[in-house]
Parts: sequence; structure tokens; C-alpha cells
Amino acid sequence: EPEVTQTPSHQVTQMGQEVILRCVPISNHLYFYWYRQILGQKVEFLVSFYNNEISEKSEIFDDQFSVERPDGSNFTLKIRSTKLEDSAMYFCASSLDSRTGELFFGEGSRLTVL
Amino acid sequence: GEDVEQSLFLSVREGDSSVINCTYTDSSSTYLYWYKQEPGAGLQLLTYIFSNMDMKQDQRLTVLLNKKDKHLSLRIADTQTGDSAIYFCAPGSNTGKLIFGQGTTLQVKP
Repeated sequence: EPEVTQTPSHQVTQMGQEVILRCVPISNHLYFYWYRQILGQKVEFLVSFYNNEISEKSEIFDDQFSVERPDGSNFTLKIRSTKLEDSAMYFCASSLDSRTGELFFGEGSRLTVL
Repeated sequence: GEDVEQSLFLSVREGDSSVINCTYTDSSSTYLYWYKQEPGAGLQLLTYIFSNMDMKQDQRLTVLLNKKDKHLSLRIADTQTGDSAIYFCAPGSNTGKLIFGQGTTLQVKP
């Protein structure tokens, strides 16, 4: 069964460092998303991406964040200068059709900022 | 802003029915989803209901939607120990953006 894969599963970084989280969405999907879950809190929407551009982003997704689809398979989330409060589980998701919202999620990348 | 509320914890005995409730504020949601998260795993889509439906049944799962009260529920019949997980209610718009509740931890006792 096709699945969304994410790497790394866990990354520890120092505050102020740049981090890139990688995702390989399901191959025929067209819509890509990043969500995050701070420990003990709700899963929060960060950004959606379609046709090589951001279609929607939340207030959390400020100038420190960027997304990219550098080739036909990867979808990355970059945090330019990490802060302690960026520590969270980051989930990538993809869907074939945004209207039905059947998002398929990866297992997540845990980011710990020290 | 949009908000989704769920009770945090539910404990049932194996074989009983489980009912997980959810209330939401965004009346423009077109699809309403239930996701399941097992320990150490990602979010798995369980089922969903279109906003113009009242009920949807999918094997052991029954989703009820009261659009007037903005209330969504998930009933799991004959709950098994393998159903132990966190269940998330997530209303969605036609842009694919989901608003998640905080999740209900379902504990199934043998």
C-alpha cells in the first residue's frame, strides 16, 4: 500500500540552527501539507502546497519557515533558525484531491531544539 | 478562530460499544474526518462524512453528524483491544486544511 514517508524520524538541534525535514508523498498525489503537534497539544495546520506554490498557510508559518518541492518526489520543510518552541512532531501529508480532504499522513519527524 | 473540542479520555470493556464525541465551530466544513493514532505511528484516516449527511456506517464504525448543533460522533461497535489509540476529530474545508481536536484516548480493557 502506498504511504507517505518522512525523514529523519528524530532530529536534535541547537537553537538557531537550520533544520530541513523531508517527506516523500504518495506518488500520484497533487496536494501536500505540513502539520505539527507540540507535545500535549493539538495537531496544527502549517501549510498546504499545490502546483509548486503555497496555497494556504497558518499564522505559525512565519518567515522562518519555507517549503519546497525540489524534484518530482520530495517535499521539504525548512526552519531557518530554530527556536525552543519549534520542538514538536512534524507531520507531512498528501492528498489526491483537496476537496475530499483524504489526507494520508506520514509517521512524523520529531524535532527537539535544545 | 475555528475550534474543535473532544473529551480527553474514554475507557470501555472489550466487546462494548465506544462513543467518541466532538463539537466544532466552523459551519463551513464540507467533510468531517476521524483519524486514529497508535503509539509511535502517524495519523490514519478511519472514516469521514460529508456535511450534507446525517449518518455513515462503515463496518464497525458509525459516524453521526448533527450539523445544527455542530456535533460529530464516532461509534465503534464490539470494541477490541486493538482499537486502543487516540482518536482525532477533524473538520475540513475544500482546501484540504483540517482543524484537529485534541484527541480522545480510548482505552479498551480486556
